[in-house]
Amino acid sequence: DSGVTQTPKHLITATGQRVTLRCSPRSGDLSVYWYQQSLDQGLQFLIQYYNGEERAKGNILERFSAQQFPDLHSELNLSSLELGDSALYFCASSPTGDLRGQPQHFGDGTRLSIL
Amino acid sequence: QKEVEQDPGPLSVPEGAIVSLNCTYSNSAFQYFMWYRQYSRKGPELLMYTYSSGNKEDGRFTAQVDKSSKYISLFIRDSQPSDSATYLCAMSAVDTDKLIFGTGTRLQVFP
Repeated sequence: DSGVTQTPKHLITATGQRVTLRCSPRSGDLSVYWYQQSLDQGLQFLIQYYNGEERAKGNILERFSAQQFPDLHSELNLSSLELGDSALYFCASSPTGDLRGQPQHFGDGTRLSIL
Repeated sequence: QKEVEQDPGPLSVPEGAIVSLNCTYSNSAFQYFMWYRQYSRKGPELLMYTYSSGNKEDGRFTAQVDKSSKYISLFIRDSQPSDSATYLCAMSAVDTDKLIFGTGTRLQVFP
């Protein structure tokens, strides 16, 4: 058990809809990362938050947004969903955003299926 | 060209074999190297973490980094069916905590 909790485990919805994925980091971790994993693209970095502030952006679509709350949990919001958004979405956490090269610990993901 | 290249496999070996998994990379700024194991329907689990060049051993697992060749390896000794999973390499540079992942190698260890 990595200590990173993601809910829900599975989400089924339709095109055009909006969903929210939730992540609770390991106790004491200040940084939260979001990744998308699909069969053909591998694990793609979306966005990082550190102690409530956006820290780095990756290949995140404008239809997607995230935030980190004062209690350090994070939410990833996906809107105007398309079939191609079907994927596994992982959250990871690390202790700080100031020490480089810190390993990240992953939750078990949310499987998003768009019908 | 991707920053990190990894053979997708699948790699199929008999129980007890020595397994060699590899990644090559193009960015000479990478200094931190990790290996993750991912079982089906689970998140990646950190296996090994190394800084710069050299070897690191942990039980049946050995990680090697050759920065001059931009090549990293993970060796698994006495492989077990429970080692069957996808293995992902990941790396980052000193000026960022963003990890770049390989696409993963699927390993199957048969009894």
